[in-house]
Amino acid sequence: DTAVSQTPKYLVTQMGNDKSIKCEQNLGHDTMYWYKQDSKKFLKIMFSYNNKELIINETVPNRFSPKSPDKAHLNLHINSLELGDSAVYFCASSLQRGEQFFGPGTRLTVL
Amino acid sequence: GDSVTQMEGPVTLSEEAFLTINCTYTATGYPSLFWYVQYPGEGLQLLLKATKADDKGSNKGFEATYRKETTSFHLEKGSVQVSDSAVYFCALTYQAGTALIFGKGTTLSVSS
Repeated sequence: DTAVSQTPKYLVTQMGNDKSIKCEQNLGHDTMYWYKQDSKKFLKIMFSYNNKELIINETVPNRFSPKSPDKAHLNLHINSLELGDSAVYFCASSLQRGEQFFGPGTRLTVL
Repeated sequence: GDSVTQMEGPVTLSEEAFLTINCTYTATGYPSLFWYVQYPGEGLQLLLKATKADDKGSNKGFEATYRKETTSFHLEKGSVQVSDSAVYFCALTYQAGTALIFGKGTTLSVSS
């Protein structure tokens, strides 16, 4: 009965590859987010979707493309991976005022 | 723009010591304020929140009061346990659907 789930938990890949991270929430929320946590544990918003519509798109390289097939899913596709993309990526969802629920994170390592 | 500033860590305490982690914010409006906790190897969990001035959030022995006059939301606990060792993040947001703005996190290490 996991509320926000992400797959995979760990992802190790070579520079230049394309990879996807999947996120699903079973809380009935209508807004989902992707955050990036760097090696110093700093968290920054990347994208936000409300009812499958993109509402936040921070300064993120075009190589990152979110996709929301329905309200319960928000996937993150990354093209041409670079060393600097190595981080932990967190998915989150919300319904009430600002209370966001986070997934367990996906640790991406680019070699 | 809006921002959150937390005290630098790490904070190292002995079990049963009193904990304070300072958090101040800069905001153009009236945000909701949060403390999230991240245990080693895990995602973020909401610890407590306050949505308006003078509100006190509390959970698991932790407390924080929304102080508009000092733009602060300091986290306190009267007696920490080893199991409280984690990274604590102060954050703000305005409404559902907007991003959380996080502080840089404070690592707490409690020894027995």
